[in-house]
Amino acid sequence: EIVLTQSPGTLSLSPGERATLSCRASQSVSKSYLAWYQQKPGQSPRLLIYGASSRATGIPDRFSASGSRTDFNLTISRLEPEDFAVYYCQLYDNPPPVFTFGPGTKVDIK
Amino acid sequence: QVQLQESGPGLVKPSETLSLTCSVSGGSISGYFWSWIRQPPGKGLEWIGYIYYSGTTNYNPTLKSRVTISVDTSKNQFSLKLSSVTAADTAIYYCVKFYSSSWFNWFDPWGQGTLVTVSS
Repeated sequence: EIVLTQSPGTLSLSPGERATLSCRASQSVSKSYLAWYQQKPGQSPRLLIYGASSRATGIPDRFSASGSRTDFNLTISRLEPEDFAVYYCQLYDNPPPVFTFGPGTKVDIK
Repeated sequence: QVQLQESGPGLVKPSETLSLTCSVSGGSISGYFWSWIRQPPGKGLEWIGYIYYSGTTNYNPTLKSRVTISVDTSKNQFSLKLSSVTAADTAIYYCVKFYSSSWFNWFDPWGQGTLVTVSS
């Protein structure tokens, strides 16, 4: 079973600053199956990134992501007020087919 | 744009079966995968399982013995049953469209979620 670890647990930043979030897998994975989601308080998660680096439809280009094997990053180049939220990475592994979410990184206002 | 809406009881007694339905609007349920994901209050996300419109299913091994997901294409709905519930099953339950290909997969869009509390 692959375990996802996200760091830091909380990231306190100011609007306009750059945020870098980390997602680490306990073993090497296919980057094709690594996705990132954003969840604002009281809302459902929203897909940001799929395939480790491809932005989903409608996602601003201030969001970017990269990585391979065990280490993946999500970067928000300049934080907007609406970007303060919890971010989850998610992985698909097979066999057996299982979807795993990381514990999340909360980006809050400093 | 496809929209998903969960419905079902918000309170279930311990040892009973949790039953939820997801209604899909703005598109057909046919041809796609559909999933259930849950989130205990204040905690992270847990994948429960998915179903293909044809009825093929795949479940989280940790829940497999208690989970049944079914689909009704005539009603454009899919459903979740979770048996023998305990307080640990208290969570917001989301129904989600699941995209799968040979190269990528992802969960999008998500329903608004429905809180199910397990309590006597």
